[in-house]
Amino acid sequence: DAKTTQPNSMESNEEEPVHLPCNHSTISGTDYIHWYRQLPSQGPEYVIHGLTSNVNNRMASLAIAEDRKSSTLILHRATLRDAAVYYCILRDVNAGYGGSQGNLIFGKGTKLSVKP
Amino acid sequence: NAGVTQTPKFRVLKTGQSMTLLCAQDMNHEYMYWYRQDPGMGLRLIHYSVGEGTTAKGEVPDGYNVSRLKKQNFLLGLESAAPSQTSVYFCASSSDRVNTGELFFGEGSRLTVL
Repeated sequence: DAKTTQPNSMESNEEEPVHLPCNHSTISGTDYIHWYRQLPSQGPEYVIHGLTSNVNNRMASLAIAEDRKSSTLILHRATLRDAAVYYCILRDVNAGYGGSQGNLIFGKGTKLSVKP
Repeated sequence: NAGVTQTPKFRVLKTGQSMTLLCAQDMNHEYMYWYRQDPGMGLRLIHYSVGEGTTAKGEVPDGYNVSRLKKQNFLLGLESAAPSQTSVYFCASSSDRVNTGELFFGEGSRLTVL
């Protein structure tokens, strides 16, 4: 799987928008971009995923660069509850199961702190 | 909705003891997974299952066994616990292949092996 690069940490103020970047310069045409987050002492939680077009859901928006070499997770109004580690993950839509291929590879992610 | 439920949430074992972690999901998902998370290591896949009666090895399967006798349950066993297995264990499930679908995680089980 192609690798992703994220900043180790970011800070935001409450009720302000947050843009979390992810670089994936070696992305292939069949890689989906997934975002998960992990709140303190909890399991990871799905946020959003996309392939080529920008995506919106109730939690966030995903902006994908035209060349797909980078993407940005956008939290429109950060709340204290959004303080978490955010993971940007690539998965090939054609990848089967076997060994480590069947899983999403969670790197270290970006730790987002939200200040009141 | 209960989603994915893990039991127990905390456990302390002595080296050489055995135990089983239970994962239950009420979403009728085909796929289930066991991960472990260590500080600074991210999540690593231990074993997974693509359906009732099936199991397969993930990235770090040594020292663990699993069973999927019922579609809704996925058990992770440690036959002879070692201090290196001290970790937080997460179970997850999905209805579709993880490439396009969403993984649902449990809250985790914190295991300490003395």
